[in-house]
Amino acid sequence: DSGVTQTPKHLITATGQRVTLRCSPRSGDLSVYWYQQSLDQGLQFLIQYYNGEERAKGNILERFSAQQFPDLHSELNLSSLELGDSALYFCASSKKRSDTDTQYFGPGTRLTVL
Amino acid sequence: GQNIDQPTEMTATEGAIVQINCTYQTSGFNGLFWYQQHAGEAPTFLSYNVLDGLEEKGRFSSFLSRSKGYSYLLLKELQMKDSASYLCAASHTTDSWGKLQFGAGTQVVVTP
Repeated sequence: DSGVTQTPKHLITATGQRVTLRCSPRSGDLSVYWYQQSLDQGLQFLIQYYNGEERAKGNILERFSAQQFPDLHSELNLSSLELGDSALYFCASSKKRSDTDTQYFGPGTRLTVL
Repeated sequence: GQNIDQPTEMTATEGAIVQINCTYQTSGFNGLFWYQQHAGEAPTFLSYNVLDGLEEKGRFSSFLSRSKGYSYLLLKELQMKDSASYLCAASHTTDSWGKLQFGAGTQVVVTP
């Protein structure tokens, strides 16, 4: 158990819908990262927040957005869902920066878009 | 982006040794992480190398050569439970806030 929690574990929805994925970082960690992992693909970095502020962006679609709240939990919002958005979405956390601090991953949310 | 290259798949027998190589761009390089990921599960941290040389942790060791842009993960006394994907990830100062670039992963298959 990494100490990072994610809810829900599984999510099944239809195309065009909107969903929210939630992540709580490890106690004391200020940075939260979101990743997408599709079948047969590696981890794709989406976005990073540090202490409530966006710090780095990866290949995140405009239909996707995220935020980190004052209690440091984070939410990833996915809208106008398409079949291709079906994937495992992981949240990770670290103390501060990702280049020197180890990222610890949550169990993931498996999103299925039908 | 920063290209991270590692083999797609490796097969080895229980009890044997397997070495997974990883190459990365040296410009602005900070450090190198290795993660293990079982199918459908979260990646779990294995090791972090920032200086040249070998770091040993039980059956797993990781090596780094900063000048060559090369790292390897050595798995000794392989067990069936070691069948998993092994992800190499590098951080570079040229990326904002040193975000990690992950390789596609090496699928290790351990056979009896």
